Amino acid sequence: GQNIDQPTEMTATEGAIVQINCTYQTSGFNGLFWYQQHAGEAPTFLSYNVLDGLEEKGRFSSFLSRSKGYSYLLLKELQMKDSASYLCAVNPGGGNKLTFGTGTQLKVEL
Amino acid sequence: AAGVIQSPRHLIKEKRETATLKCYPIPRHDTVYWYQQGPGQDPQFLISFYEKMQSDKGSIPDRFSAQQFSDYHSELNMSSLELGDSALYFCASSPRLAGVAGELFFGEGSRLTVL
Repeated sequence: GQNIDQPTEMTATEGAIVQINCTYQTSGFNGLFWYQQHAGEAPTFLSYNVLDGLEEKGRFSSFLSRSKGYSYLLLKELQMKDSASYLCAVNPGGGNKLTFGTGTQLKVEL
Repeated sequence: AAGVIQSPRHLIKEKRETATLKCYPIPRHDTVYWYQQGPGQDPQFLISFYEKMQSDKGSIPDRFSAQQFSDYHSELNMSSLELGDSALYFCASSPRLAGVAGELFFGEGSRLTVL
């Protein structure tokens, strides 16, 4: 089976940095993805890691350690609009379908 | 840029009725995925199609069926609806042989409410 774990909720202050962790145990691995989802809206792609290390993309960075089954999403210079659910998803291979974690609801406060 | 189009955006049905959701993928995307997202839950993979053939099957109930047509649009048919089928249904598309493996482009979703 597939198991992807994330914290349920996090709260952070505007302008600060927040790290959202994700651990996974899947039958295969062909990449880890982070998606952002505002309430009632479609998930939108943020980042992708297939090799170990850090991928930086503006205010967002994502890290992967395949040996540890671990990833994190780092959000810098937080803005109120970053309040959303952040979904960790794994491509277990054999196609492009994704298995999603339960998502981390991030609340950014003043 | 063109996005994934889903219709209807909202649908209200009674128990035991049927419903059909439609999805039009991004042009030149040949793979379509259907996901179901219940309130406060993560998206659950239902089924996918590549070049009009079913490519993968997830937790899709037997009461549901889907297909992809020659113009690559897809339809999800749901019969004998139950209260638990109330959810957001997302369609996503991807170019199977190009791009980041697994980067899915999601539509805005169809919200089904079963009364």
